[in-house]
This record gives sequence, C-alpha cells and structure tokens, in this order.
Amino acid sequence: LAKTTQPISMDSYEGQEVNITCSHNNIATNDYITWYQQFPSQGPRFIIQGCKTKVTNEVASLFIPADRKSSTLSLPRVSLSDTAVYYCLVGAARRDDKIIFGKGTRLHILP
Amino acid sequence: DAGVIQSPRHEVTEMGQEVTLRCKPISGHDYLFWYRQTMMRGLELLIYFNNNVPIDDSGMPEDRFSAKMPNASFSTLKIQPSEPRDSAVYFCASSPLTGDQETQYFGPGTRLLVL
Repeated sequence: LAKTTQPISMDSYEGQEVNITCSHNNIATNDYITWYQQFPSQGPRFIIQGCKTKVTNEVASLFIPADRKSSTLSLPRVSLSDTAVYYCLVGAARRDDKIIFGKGTRLHILP
Repeated sequence: DAGVIQSPRHEVTEMGQEVTLRCKPISGHDYLFWYRQTMMRGLELLIYFNNNVPIDDSGMPEDRFSAKMPNASFSTLKIQPSEPRDSAVYFCASSPLTGDQETQYFGPGTRLLVL
C-alpha cells in the first residue's frame, strides 16, 4: 500500500512561494505521484502529476528526488485563492495498492 | 465536456429512508469511483468500476450501501436504510485508462444529511 505522509496544515502569506512535502517511503517503480487541490464545497481537482525529477505546469511544480521517497509540491507566488486542502497521492486507485486521499494538507494563505 | 455530473447536490432525509445518489461520468472514461468525505475520516474510497463492472467494493462500509453502473454513462450509490452516521459529502469521480498514470476528475459532490 503506497501510504503517504504530509503536514496537516500550513500557513503562508500572499506573494510567497509555498512548498508542501509529501513522504512516500514505499513507492513502487511504476507509481506516479499526483497532487490534488480541494476548495470548500467542491470536489478535488487535479493539479500536477509526475514520476521522476521535475514537472512544471501553469499552476505548480513538482520536485521528485532520485530516491523518490518524497516529493514537493511548489506553488509560486500564492494568493488568497490558493487557500485549500492539498492531497498527495501515490499510485492508482484502480490497482490493488488503492490510493488513499486521507486528510491532506490544509493551506491557509494570509494577506 | 460538462465534467462529472452528480445529482442531487443536496439531500436531507430521515433515518430509515432510502437514499439514491446519481453520477454521470465523463464520456469515454473507463473508471468510475465513489468516495465519501467527512471531517473525521477525510476522503474515503468506497467502490470503483472498470467498464461498468465493480472491481473493488472493500471500502463500502456495510450492506446498507450498494452501487450499480448499468451503463457507461450512469452510476448510482444507494443507502438503504439510511442512518445519521451516513451524513457526509459523497463524490463521484471518473478516470481514463492511461497506463500507470491515473488522473481522477471529480464531480461537485452530493451533501447528504440524515436526520
């Protein structure tokens, strides 16, 4: 089971870069790392996904070290609207390892 | 595409009543997932389907819960009889088949309150 560990909550200020780290010590070779964002009263929304090194899109960057036992979601220059819960997942729910969303990291952006 | 569609968005019912939640996945997606979210337990996977066939229902809490997918564009999650502890937000998600990668697209959820 590809279990992940991430901080329960984080605070930051507008304009800052926010990094959320996720630990996944027993990640399998073929596992992808996926991050989702959830706003209140909405379903989770895909942010970024990667397998190794670094991935960047218009929203965020995902840094994955060589051993792949952790990964870091980086949000550049956050705004108040980035206040949300962020989930780190490893693997695929449709395989036997059954990804677990858990409670995620509650990010609170302050003005 | 309209995304994943769920209905109703809100449901208030009394204990003992039957509740049916509905989901229309994104066209062409091979997988459909049902989740339940509460403050205490976070987001839990209840069951998922592949090409309309239930694959893993080990997350279904008890026999009062059942799910069906009669065709590729429709799924239901039924609770009979409902209990106050079933109060939660229920999400449906769908995903295309893309090798080892999996991206789930979630619906807006159904907020269920059982009195």
